[in-house]
Parts: sequence; structure tokens; C-alpha cells
Amino acid sequence: ETGVTQTPRHLVMGMTNKKSLKCEQHLGHNAMYWYKQSAKKPLELMFVYNFKEQTENNSVPSRFSPECPNSSHLFLHLHTLQPEDSALYLCASSQEIGGSGELFFGEGSRLTVL
Amino acid sequence: GQNIDQPTEMTATEGAIVQINCTYQTSGFNGLFWYQQHAGEAPTFLSYNVLDGLEEKGRFSSFLSRSKGYSYLLLKELQMKDSASYLCAPMDSNYQLIWGAGTKLIIKP
Repeated sequence: ETGVTQTPRHLVMGMTNKKSLKCEQHLGHNAMYWYKQSAKKPLELMFVYNFKEQTENNSVPSRFSPECPNSSHLFLHLHTLQPEDSALYLCASSQEIGGSGELFFGEGSRLTVL
Repeated sequence: GQNIDQPTEMTATEGAIVQINCTYQTSGFNGLFWYQQHAGEAPTFLSYNVLDGLEEKGRFSSFLSRSKGYSYLLLKELQMKDSASYLCAPMDSNYQLIWGAGTKLIIKP
């Protein structure tokens, strides 16, 4: 138990569906992140939020839409995805951006796009 | 560009010692992290080095040489539960973690 909870753990969707991934952290952290993890590839940073404000968008396609209503919750809205978007999506949080503060990761949401 | 290089896979024997190397090139440097990730689970923090030298934490130690762009993770008295992927991640001048693809460590009895 890392203090970061992601739902759903598994999701299968068609290319025309709309779904959302949810992340909640109970650690009182100020920064939250979305990462994409594909097999045998490095973690890809997608979005960063600091005190609810988006500070990083790593050229992510608009079919991925993040939302951060407060410092404890982070969503990733998905629509018209492609099969190559199938991956493990990891949420993480940290006390602050940078410094020696470690990231605490959720268990991930395994997404399959048909 | 920014680049991380670590072996794709390593095999070691239970009870032995293994060293996982990582070389990196980043735009600036603000420390280096090692994470462990068991299959199907979240990555978990192992160590952080910002100054040159060896940091020891139980059976795990991490070493950093900033001038050489080099770090290693040393695992002693290997146990079967140490079978996992080990991720090297230096932090660049923008405080962004640059992730390696990870080293899959297989422990054999």
C-alpha cells in the first residue's frame, strides 16, 4: 500500500469509447503525475500537476485529457484512443516537484484499446 | 539529447551479490534515483544520490560518480524476492526524472 490508489486496475475499450482513469493520494502531497509504461520502454511522463495547476504536458495527444480538481485527486479522460495507446498508466505523487522527494506510485491502470 | 543506459536483463544466484550499472547523459543534474518494480506492481523507491560516493541501506547500496555520468546499484545476499526490474532515473536541470528502460533481474536458486 503506497498511499496512491488508482481505479480501475484494468480497462478494455474500443476506439470510439470514452472512459476515465482515476487516481487518489492520501499522503498530503502537492504534486501529482501521469506516466505511461509500455513493455520494455522507459516510463514516459505525460502530465504534471503542482498545487492543482498543470506544469507539464509532454506533447501528449489531445485524446488524453487530464483533470486535477484538488491536490488529492487526478483524472485522465480518454476518448477516441488508438491501439498503440494500450499500456500501463501509472499515477504518482510527491511532496514537491524536484528535490530529493521520492515519487509514490499507484498500482497502475492496465489499458487495452481494441 | 538525454540518454540512460542500463542492461536489459541480468541473472544472479540466491545469496550472491549483483551490481546493476547505469550510465547517463542529462541536461544538468539534480541527483539520481533507483526504483524497484516487481512484475505487475508499482515502482517503489530504493535510493537517491546527489553527491559522489556510496550510500548504503541494508542489503542495497547505490553509488554515484557525477564526473563519469555513472551510477550502480549493489544488491547483497540476494533473495528470491529481489527478482524485479530496477529503474535508474537521474533528474535533469528542470527537475524532471529521465527514466531508463530498467534492468530485469532474475534470481535463481
